[in-house]
Amino acid sequence: EVQLVGSGGGLVQPGGSLRLSCVGSGFNLGTYSMNWVRQAPGKGLEWISYIGPGGSDTDYADSVKGRFTISRDNAKNSLYLQMNGVTAEDTAIYYCARDAWGNSRPYFFDHWGQGIVVTVSS
Amino acid sequence: DIVLTQSPESLTVSLGERATINCKSSQSVLYSSNNKNYLAWYQQKPGQPPKLLTSSASTRESGVPDRFSGSGSGTDFTLSISSLQAADVAVYYCQQYFTTPPTFGQGTKVAI
Repeated sequence: EVQLVGSGGGLVQPGGSLRLSCVGSGFNLGTYSMNWVRQAPGKGLEWISYIGPGGSDTDYADSVKGRFTISRDNAKNSLYLQMNGVTAEDTAIYYCARDAWGNSRPYFFDHWGQGIVVTVSS
Repeated sequence: DIVLTQSPESLTVSLGERATINCKSSQSVLYSSNNKNYLAWYQQKPGQPPKLLTSSASTRESGVPDRFSGSGSGTDFTLSISSLQAADVAVYYCQQYFTTPPTFGQGTKVAI
């Protein structure tokens, strides 16, 4: 069974940093592109970042470009999101999501983690 | 960015009745080289992550009940639930993957 388990969320002050992690099991994460998608409280879904299977291809939504960094460690079946310079607008549930097709850009998402809660507040 | 507009924002349907959700794209998501529409539908129940229902506008994922069906082409798409069950209460999202960034509709809340 494919599973994605996220961790690393919590309360962070504006301007602070946080690192989210997502560990995959039941499949070889290293052969899939992966994404981060977030959902602000009571709001819809927003794609924020993509990484190709090898880790060299990455892409970001304009809302996080220059502040967030996506990375992966295929040996550990793990995906990461380094969040720097956070603001209240980054408060959301963050989902890691497996890309069903992509090896060059994001497509659609066939498996999702349970969600990681990030709250930015002083 | 491609904008997806879903309608209605919410709907209430009786058990066993049909529910229909629309998704309109600001530009065509039909990829001419393979004649596939780059549009997916998701179901999100409270407190849960989204679940993929269909891709390529109408290809149902394994394990998804056949009461769920997607249709449409180009800029206009529909998700239908033929006979609504209590387990179908959720928010439904369309998503385009024709261009980067992939974008989602604002969601449609289905209640009984």
